[in-house]
Amino acid sequence: DGGITQSPKYLFRKEGQNVTLSCEQNLNHDAMYWYRQDPGQGLRLIYYSQIVNDFQKGDIAEGYSVSREKKESFPLTVTSAQKNPTAFYLCASSRATELYEQFFGPGTRLTVL
Amino acid sequence: SQKIEQNSEALNIQEGKTATLTCNYTNYSPAYLQWYRQDPGRGPVFLLLIRENEKEKRKERLKVTFDTTLKQSLFHITASQPADSATYLCALDDQAGTALIFGKGTTLSVSS
Repeated sequence: DGGITQSPKYLFRKEGQNVTLSCEQNLNHDAMYWYRQDPGQGLRLIYYSQIVNDFQKGDIAEGYSVSREKKESFPLTVTSAQKNPTAFYLCASSRATELYEQFFGPGTRLTVL
Repeated sequence: SQKIEQNSEALNIQEGKTATLTCNYTNYSPAYLQWYRQDPGRGPVFLLLIRENEKEKRKERLKVTFDTTLKQSLFHITASQPADSATYLCALDDQAGTALIFGKGTTLSVSS
């Protein structure tokens, strides 16, 4: 079954700690994305990657970091520099960045205690 | 910078009626527009894509229009059902064609 997975579904962390959110896809897609969604808000782009070993900042990249060492994996690290990290994080992938629909994972809800 | 607005945060209609959701944009001309459905606590699911040179696109009970003069897209669900209740997101390509810009969404509630 092809798809995109995120883990964990719920994540709690203490203030000041870094945390890494996992995103894996077996759709053979070149492009991958990370979004953040806050209550009543649309999706805001954190980072995207068009190809392995390359990624670009989105609108709200400050306090986040990513890597793209493998085509199928695009982990997101929420660092202690992110001032308000509590949110719903969504990973997505697509065949390319232009003109193709995006497939989303189930999301990770991060809560900072 | 590009701006995208979905006409209302919530829309309540009765089963069997047609739901019409609006997406307006300013400050640029997107090459295409997409609509997604999102259920609570889940990731969005792609529904339809319409290109700038297409006026209308249909898929089963769904219809999307794209008016580049008005800078507006309309999303219609005909013969609506309670199962259609969800948040619907409009998304446009950014000017570089590298990412999507999402609206805040309209939450549709269909009552039986």
